[in-house]
Amino acid sequence: EPEVTQTPSHQVTQMGQEVILRCVPISNHLYFYWYRQILGQKVEFLVSFYNNEISEKSEIFDDQFSVERPDGSNFTLKIRSTKLEDSAMYFCASSEGRGTLYTQYFGPGTRLTVL
Amino acid sequence: KQEVTQIPAALSVPEGENLVLNCSFTDSAIYNLQWFRQDPGKGLTSLLLIQSSQREQTSGRLNASLDKSSGRSTLYIAASQPGDSATYLCAVTSGGGADGLTFGKGTHLIIQP
Repeated sequence: EPEVTQTPSHQVTQMGQEVILRCVPISNHLYFYWYRQILGQKVEFLVSFYNNEISEKSEIFDDQFSVERPDGSNFTLKIRSTKLEDSAMYFCASSEGRGTLYTQYFGPGTRLTVL
Repeated sequence: KQEVTQIPAALSVPEGENLVLNCSFTDSAIYNLQWFRQDPGKGLTSLLLIQSSQREQTSGRLNASLDKSSGRSTLYIAASQPGDSATYLCAVTSGGGADGLTFGKGTHLIIQP
């Protein structure tokens, strides 16, 4: 069964460094998402992406975050200058479409630790 | 702003029992509601999706209902098994062009063998 994959599974970085988290969505899906989950907290929406542009972003998704689909398969989240509070599990998701019918399928996550 | 609440926060029951997990949301203008399962340190597995026009969905031993007007959903698990132990998350997609899911904090379920 097709699945969303994410790399790396764990990333440790120093505060102020840039990190890139990578995702390979399900191949026929058109909508892509990033979410994060701080330890013990709710899963929070960051951004959605369709047709090579951001379609929606939350208040969390500020100027230090960016997303890109550099080729036909990868979808990346870049954090330019990491802060301690960026430590979280980051989930990528994808869906075939948008609206009532479509399930979002999640990857296994990347655990980001900022020291 | 949409808020999703799940009750109870934690539940421990003996194997074989039927159980109900509750989810409520503040804004009834939703596109759909999804129930997910999250195992410790792992990703989210989609269990059921209920469209806003539907009242319930079933998959195996799972049955989810939706009462959009009252802002409530329940997940019914029949004949619980130790393998059902996980955190169950409820999430909604709100209308008005929003794509992102709004999640509850989850119900941590333990099924005792």
